[in-house]
Amino acid sequence: EVQLLESGGGLVQPGGSLRLSCAASGFTFNKHSMSWVRQPPGKGLEWVSTINIDGATTYYADSVRGRFTISRDNSKNTLYLQMNSLRADDTATYYCAKVRPTTEPLRGFDYWGQGTLATVSS
Amino acid sequence: DIVMTQSPLSLPVTPGEPASISCRSSQSLLNSNGYNLLDWYLQKPGQSPQLLIYLGSNRASGVPDRFSGSGSGTDFTLKINRVEAEDVGVYYCLQTLQPPLTFGGGTRVEIK
Repeated sequence: EVQLLESGGGLVQPGGSLRLSCAASGFTFNKHSMSWVRQPPGKGLEWVSTINIDGATTYYADSVRGRFTISRDNSKNTLYLQMNSLRADDTATYYCAKVRPTTEPLRGFDYWGQGTLATVSS
Repeated sequence: DIVMTQSPLSLPVTPGEPASISCRSSQSLLNSNGYNLLDWYLQKPGQSPQLLIYLGSNRASGVPDRFSGSGSGTDFTLKINRVEAEDVGVYYCLQTLQPPLTFGGGTRVEIK
């Protein structure tokens, strides 16, 4: 059974940093691209970032490029999102999502984690 | 960026009746291989989103056959053959043709 377990969310002041983690199990992690998708409270979904199978290629939404960094450790079956220079509008539940089986990293998501809430507020 | 527009915003439905949601993109989602790079997701209340349809019309594993996706280019439709109570939630379309990947604003389906 595929499982994606996010952690690392919490309350942080504007300008601060958070590092989210996503522990994956139930599938061969190093054979699948992975993504982060976020959802502000009461609002819709926003794609944040995607990383390919070996971490060599990454993609970012304009709203986070230069502030967020996606990475992965295939030896630990773990995906990360380092979030720096956080702003109030980064407040959201962050979902880790597995990209469905395909050779292209920028495709849809067949499994999602339960999400972790990051709140940016003074 | 490709803009995804869903309608309606809200859809009250009667169990057993059909339902339909529209998703329009600001540019064609048909790629050079002939695939429409459009997915549909359902986020049930209090849950994470789940994949329903990928490549415009392919049902994901475990998705009941009352769900179907159709359309091509810029106009897409998600149909629910006979709505069940468990189908309530917010439905989103997603384009994966080019970055940034963009979602529609969502359609809330509720039981009348």
